[in-house]
This record gives sequence, structure tokens and C-alpha cells, in this order.
Amino acid sequence: GAGVSQSPRYKVAKRGQDVALRCDPISGHVSLFWYQQALGQGPEFLTYFQNEAQLDKSGLPSDRFFAERPEGSVSTLKIQRTQQEDSAVYLCASSVLGGDTGELFFGEGSRLTVL
Amino acid sequence: EDQVTQSPEALRLQEGESSSLNCSYTVSGLRGLFWYRQDPGKGPEFLFTLYSAGEEKEKERLKATLTKKESFLHITAPKPEDSATYLCAVQAYQAGTALIFGKGTTLSVSS
Repeated sequence: GAGVSQSPRYKVAKRGQDVALRCDPISGHVSLFWYQQALGQGPEFLTYFQNEAQLDKSGLPSDRFFAERPEGSVSTLKIQRTQQEDSAVYLCASSVLGGDTGELFFGEGSRLTVL
Repeated sequence: EDQVTQSPEALRLQEGESSSLNCSYTVSGLRGLFWYRQDPGKGPEFLFTLYSAGEEKEKERLKATLTKKESFLHITAPKPEDSATYLCAVQAYQAGTALIFGKGTTLSVSS
């Protein structure tokens, strides 16, 4: 596609449910990033993939958060046993360049609300 | 600790009224400083990369500058379509791939 595509755009989950958020990056982009943006805040780094390898997961807040990119294209961010503090917009970004680039193409995000 | 502070939090301008947004940063070793624009309900859109003090970049009515401690985003003769949140981010050599974002400045331009 023309840009980074994320789904679902909106997700409401009850506390304790598991959720999966999908990211379809720009075709050919090697690098893929996940960021979390709370209301009124700037995005915060979660994790980074180069192709299918997860090279940096230092920003994942707990072991309830898990990300994968098995074939080096589509990525899924999974949150287990969701809690209210997980409510945020989850942004996916991709780049044709390596991980040290700051020139990222962001998707529109998936807004997660945990009740 | 690497940190980015943006000011003001919000800025209201009349169309044609030029101004500047500030981004102050503390980072152990700056790899790059980045400006993004974010419209409501959208993801950030890349604007500029700055690497070293004294560097300047321009795009239409926007001009970004960098010193050793801060960056400015100058907006010349803004139009209503420039209304958005402007985010500043830094990347540090020791922080790997992560961008550290500020909270942003929300700009409103009225006609």
C-alpha cells in the first residue's frame, strides 16, 4: 500500500482480556517500530525489528507485551491480560533505512481503551 | 537521563503572525534531532532531521535550527493549515534505536 496500515483503528477491551494489534508496513521497508502514545504525551518507544529480527525490545513495559514480525513484513503487537494503564494509541512506523534512522513513516495508530 | 522539553505547550497565532517553537534537550550523545507534525487522530509526519549545531533545514513556511542545547522551529507567515501538534524527538548514540519525544506544541492558526 501507499502507507503504513494499522488495524483495528479502535479497540475496546475489558480488563484482563488479550488484544492483538496489526501493522502492515510500507512494502520493502526493512525497519519496523512500535510506539505507545498516551493522551497528551509524545510517543514512547516500545520495540524495533530489522526484517524478522527483533533487535531492540527495551521499551516494552512488562512481559505482558509481546511483538513479532515472523516473515519480515507484517507485525503484530500482543498485549496479554490488559490493564487500564495500557489504554493508549499504539503507533507503528517503518523505514527503508536501518534502525539508527529517525526518519520514520507512521501509521494512524490503533487506539486501545481498557475498561 | 535523556530528556526533551518543548515550549510552549500551546500557541495561538493569527494568520501571517510569525513565531518560533522551542525544543530543549539533554542527551548523552546526540545522533540526531527530528521534527514531526501530528494532526488529530493521525500518526506523526516527518518534517526535518538535524545532526549538528548550526545546521538549518527549510520547508515551505517552516525552518528548523539546532544549537548544542536546543532546537527551534520557526514558522513564517503561518496559514490555518499549519495548525497541528509539532513534536520534537532526539536519538542518542547510547540509546540504540529509540526516539525520545517531547510532549509537543499544539499550534492553532486562525484566519
